[in-house]
Amino acid sequence: LAKTTQPISMDSYEGQEVNITCSHNNIATNDYITWYQQFPSQGPRFIIQGYKTKVTNEVASLFIPADRKSSTLSLPRVSLSDTAVYYCLVGDMENDYKLSFGAGTTVTVRA
Amino acid sequence: GAVVSQHPSRVICKSGTSVKIECRSLDFQATTMFWYRQFPKQSLMLMATSNEGSKATYEQGVEKDKFLINHASLTLSTLTVTSAHPEDSSFYICSARERTDNQPQHFGDGTRLSIL
Repeated sequence: LAKTTQPISMDSYEGQEVNITCSHNNIATNDYITWYQQFPSQGPRFIIQGYKTKVTNEVASLFIPADRKSSTLSLPRVSLSDTAVYYCLVGDMENDYKLSFGAGTTVTVRA
Repeated sequence: GAVVSQHPSRVICKSGTSVKIECRSLDFQATTMFWYRQFPKQSLMLMATSNEGSKATYEQGVEKDKFLINHASLTLSTLTVTSAHPEDSSFYICSARERTDNQPQHFGDGTRLSIL
């Protein structure tokens, strides 16, 4: 499983853009990068997934450079309800797409 | 789309009881389901991978006789915690993914298990 490294915590204010960068130096050729959000006492919620370049959906953007050794999740104009733990994961295609969760990044949004 | 339902959401029972947790994919067929455990202030820890119609694959250190997993259909997997003890108290979360390549895992809302 490709190991990922991301900051333990980030603080922000309402209305700001939050960018969380994750490194995954050992990503395999066919692996995708997936980001999840988790609130206390809930299961992780899928945010976005990408393979290369840029992916955008209604809640976030994912930027992946050409070497794919890192990725950046961008949350535009965060609100208090975006306070959560964000996990960056790389699926192991050769192994049922298993995911190995790290500590994640705790994002705290303040008023 | 891609909704995973987990039931029950909370269980409180006496030591020695066996507890069954269900995980259902409501609007897709899940070739593979996963079971995780999460202790307070910690990350998710994968317990086992379950493929429909075959035996589950357990992670190192997870007792297969303690945590029985059944994945009898493409929409249902169950985790049974046998003879549960207080140290088994935790937050158990399942996930499921579709057959198609590169589809992400979608997670249930978890089951809070408390053993008295």
